[in-house]
Amino acid sequence: GQSLEQPSEVTAVEGAIVQINCTYQTSGFYGLSWYQQHDGGAPTFLSYNGLDGLEETGRFSSFLSRSDSYGYLLLQELQMKDSASYFCAVRDQSNQGGKLIFGQGTELSVKP
Amino acid sequence: DAGVTQSPTHLIKTRGQHVTLRCSPISGHKSVSWYQQVLGQGPQFIFQYYEKEERGRGNFPDRFSARQFPNYSSELNVNALLLGDSALYLCASSLAPSEELFFGEGSRLTVL
Repeated sequence: GQSLEQPSEVTAVEGAIVQINCTYQTSGFYGLSWYQQHDGGAPTFLSYNGLDGLEETGRFSSFLSRSDSYGYLLLQELQMKDSASYFCAVRDQSNQGGKLIFGQGTELSVKP
Repeated sequence: DAGVTQSPTHLIKTRGQHVTLRCSPISGHKSVSWYQQVLGQGPQFIFQYYEKEERGRGNFPDRFSARQFPNYSSELNVNALLLGDSALYLCASSLAPSEELFFGEGSRLTVL
């Protein structure tokens, strides 16, 4: 089967750093993406890792280890507006297309 | 520039009815994907179209169908609605099938 595991919820305070982990088990692998979704609105693309290592985009960083089937999203200098659901998603190469397999999502609550 | 637009934003149907959801991609994007998101879960892949051809289909019954028009807009049709079809239906567009997805705000379907 194909599955992605991530914590269901995380709580942190403003200004802190939080890490959201994701482990995956898929028949094909063509990169790990992260999306943010506020209150059931449109998921917004945050980051993509096609190769092992760290990708940094402002306050957000994402890491991938293909040998461990593991990645994480790191959010620094947390702000109240970062409270949202965060999804990791794997592109299933076997489909030769844009099919993304999403995790269940991690609900991040940022407290003052 | 307009993002991905979906209509209707909300709708209520009864069991056994039929529904058509519409999606207009970002200008220049030729690929459209449909996802179903049940409350508390990650989006699940339904269909992907590219240049009016079906490029992928998820694990959904034949009651679900879709098509893409010459202007790259798309429709998702669901027949014989079931209570379990209640969900947020997300449309995403991309330049090509393996490129970054841009999601719309979704159509929230409630089946009574």
